[in-house]
Amino acid sequence: AQTVTQSQPEMSVQEAETVTLSCTYDTSESDYYLFWYKQPPSRQMILVIRQEAYKQQNATENRFSVNFQKAAKSFSLKISDSQLGDAAMYFCAYRHGTSGTYKYIFGTGTRLKVLA
Amino acid sequence: NAGVTQTPKFRILKIGQSMTLQCTQDMNHNYMYWYRQDPGMGLKLIYYSVGAGITDKGEVPNGYNVSRSTTEDFPLRLELAAPSQTSVYFCASSLNSGRAYNEQFFGPGTRLTVL
Repeated sequence: AQTVTQSQPEMSVQEAETVTLSCTYDTSESDYYLFWYKQPPSRQMILVIRQEAYKQQNATENRFSVNFQKAAKSFSLKISDSQLGDAAMYFCAYRHGTSGTYKYIFGTGTRLKVLA
Repeated sequence: NAGVTQTPKFRILKIGQSMTLQCTQDMNHNYMYWYRQDPGMGLKLIYYSVGAGITDKGEVPNGYNVSRSTTEDFPLRLELAAPSQTSVYFCASSLNSGRAYNEQFFGPGTRLTVL
């Protein structure tokens, strides 16, 4: 069975600095999708970035980028120029890519604090 | 386009009571999901549906039931509420079709307390 591990329960970053959140996963599949979701205090889950395993290029969305290392089964999120609004829980998620029933597996989350 | 809506936002139940959490999506997504999130934890899948009339258990289905009679609606039923069901419940949907649109869209959540 697939698993997703976020080993950092909490991280802190100074405003305008860069921070990297870690995520590792375990799977025997070669085709899958990985996601980072943000959950601010409002509880609303917001998609931050998505990576398809068949794409070698790392995904980027404005200040957010990933370092996808398929062989190492690692999917870290880098936030550049951190802002106070980035403070939230961040969840890494996995979904397999082959046909069948599509379930998403979430990590336990990393709480990010942004210091002014 | 409202996305995924959930009602109610908050609810307090007494032990043994029953209730239904409503979830509706207007994106014509085939997949719908129910998760629970306990304090400081990630999301655990309760039930999911791959389309109208088709549902299946997730990792924590005990004490819950679901139905999916339409594409839009996916209600979650709690029978005989217990304190262990105190949690925040999220409904989500996704259009799992080929390589497109495969991220989940989430509702705002329902905070349920069982006393």
